Amino acid sequence: DQQVKQNSPSLSVQEGRISILNCDYTNSMFDYFLWYKKYPAEGPTFLISISSIKDKNEDGRFTVFLNKSAKHLSLHIVPSQPGDSAVYFCAASEIQGAQKLVFGQGTRLTINP
Amino acid sequence: EAEVAQSPRYKITEKSQAVAFWCDPISGHATLYWYRQILGQGPELLVQFQDESVVDDSQLPKDRFSAERLKGVDSTLKIQPAELGDSAMYLCASSTGWTRPRPEQFFGPGTRLTVL
Repeated sequence: DQQVKQNSPSLSVQEGRISILNCDYTNSMFDYFLWYKKYPAEGPTFLISISSIKDKNEDGRFTVFLNKSAKHLSLHIVPSQPGDSAVYFCAASEIQGAQKLVFGQGTRLTINP
Repeated sequence: EAEVAQSPRYKITEKSQAVAFWCDPISGHATLYWYRQILGQGPELLVQFQDESVVDDSQLPKDRFSAERLKGVDSTLKIQPAELGDSAMYLCASSTGWTRPRPEQFFGPGTRLTVL
């Protein structure tokens, strides 16, 4: 039972354009959502998060949007840069419990010069 | 900058052998997590420690996997015996705690295990 799904295994975007990565979830108890970025041979690094009381959070070139009714969130990167090429994981945790993170399968983003 | 340390970075073993992975979290981080990431999938939590106590080990295959954090600092994850399906990246993460507000989890570089 995949509670967090990233349906696009890969995405290719031109440098300078907007990258949009999508994530869907099924568990209505999730109230906190995160995006992690992973380069090869490194562990995931935290990128940006959003609480369920918000519908948007922005940090520089990165913006996360949350649509609770659709159980959908997206990460926007604008403008996209070559250094953004990596695997991006969406993760979620529940209102109660030990803050266990449930991850999606990841989307490999490639930024083309 | 403080980092989560893991060793070894790579491990190749034969089926039925025992393997162990070590993790040293960021100094002062009370919460430690072990994740398993199978190729093409996201990380999946195996076990979570708060200091030396296990908070969640519901996804840990306890017939062959064990984890300990005896002094509440570094931690060891062991597999005995290893099976072909255990081939994966084993990631360790730490955070300052697990109570609200949500603390960020910092990940180590991982140990890539290959079981032949």
